[in-house]
Amino acid sequence: SQTIHQWPATLVQPVGSPLSLECTVEGTSNPNLYWYRQAAGRGLQLLFYSVGIGQISSEVPQNLSASRPQDRQFILSSKKLLLSDSGFYLCALKDSISYEQYFGPGTRLTVT
Amino acid sequence: AQSVTQLDSQVPVFEEAPVELRCNYSSSVSVYLFWYVQYPNQGLQLLLKYLSGSTLVKGINGFEAEFNKSQTSFHLRKPSVHISDTAEYFCAVTQLYNTNAGKSTFGDGTTLTVKP
Repeated sequence: SQTIHQWPATLVQPVGSPLSLECTVEGTSNPNLYWYRQAAGRGLQLLFYSVGIGQISSEVPQNLSASRPQDRQFILSSKKLLLSDSGFYLCALKDSISYEQYFGPGTRLTVT
Repeated sequence: AQSVTQLDSQVPVFEEAPVELRCNYSSSVSVYLFWYVQYPNQGLQLLLKYLSGSTLVKGINGFEAEFNKSQTSFHLRKPSVHISDTAEYFCAVTQLYNTNAGKSTFGDGTTLTVKP
């Protein structure tokens, strides 16, 4: 079965600093991968998804970007963080038949 | 476009009482339906899913949900809750056809708090 790893688990960064969050997947190949953000007390906001290496679709225009340098690696980045970037970031993969999603443990980002 | 409405943002309930978390959806095409649970500071995990067939689906931890096509609802139920069921619950739909096939939409979540 597939496993999703995310790191770091928690991160505190000052406004204007860069960001790099990593997601790696085990136990499957060519997964459809997703980045979600969850603000405090809110639902899930889809940020990016990728159906393959180098293929990124953005759902929400903002100062974040994503990359997929390898089949099972998905990276979320920013050049300059904003206070509004604080939240809980979740990486997920979606089963291509049942559309069930499997989530990683998440990264808690606090921008100060 | 599809949408999901979770009708209750917070549901407090006493231990061993029954609970229902309500979810309505809107979609112009057929959908798959899901309930996920999120414990504090963790990712989401699947509780149950409706793909086709029987409209009553059973999931993990004693939860079940009923798909009602005419009312476009997918309410989650448990006959007797435990303290350990305290968590955030998300309803989600995934569209099956047209240009948005495979796209998922999540509700805003319902916080279930089980009190002793």
